[in-house]
Amino acid sequence: AQSVTQLGSHVSVSEGALVLLRCNYSSSVPPYLFWYVQYPNQGLQLLLKYTSAATLVKGINDFEAEFKKSETSFHLTKPSAHMSDAAEYFCAVSRRDSSYKLIFGSGTRLLVRP
Amino acid sequence: DTAVSQTPKYLVTQMGNDKSIKCEQNLGHDTMYWYKQDSKKFLKIMFSYNNKELIINETVPNRFSPKSPDKAHLNLHINSLELGDSAVYFCASSQDAGLAQQTGTQYFGPGTRLTVL
Repeated sequence: AQSVTQLGSHVSVSEGALVLLRCNYSSSVPPYLFWYVQYPNQGLQLLLKYTSAATLVKGINDFEAEFKKSETSFHLTKPSAHMSDAAEYFCAVSRRDSSYKLIFGSGTRLLVRP
Repeated sequence: DTAVSQTPKYLVTQMGNDKSIKCEQNLGHDTMYWYKQDSKKFLKIMFSYNNKELIINETVPNRFSPKSPDKAHLNLHINSLELGDSAVYFCASSQDAGLAQQTGTQYFGPGTRLTVL
């Protein structure tokens, strides 16, 4: 069975500070890993994904994440937070088989202080 | 051009009613999904169709019935609505998961906020 744990339901940073959102996964098979962002009253937008190529994945809006198999982690980072980054962030895992259903973490709300 | 669209965006109804939510994708994808997001923002898959065939059916009450008239559409019909059905329902699509080069990246619609009174 697969699962995702996101540590911290809320993360607050100052504008310009480093953003670090934590995600740990559990999977019995090599996973695909995703980060999605949800702005208020909107759908989910893909930020980046890991599909077994490079372990350091770059996404949109200067976000990146590193797949660490030994730590079963896929943490999301951004060097400098902008006010516009305030949103809900979801980590998700899927299997590499025909189902491709996404198992989501519980989400982390990022708050950016001026 | 909207990639994945849902109608309606908001749906307010009384307990016991029957309602439908429609989803359409113009990405040429073969697989479509329904997810439910509860009041705590938790997202959980409900159903998935691949080329009009049901491939994922999670533990969802029988009152929920998906229908896929063609691979670009996946509708969700809900009978005898209950208070606990209040949530945001998201439709998503992805390319055929059977292709080795595909990664199952899913593209989401804007969501339908269902409120049952």
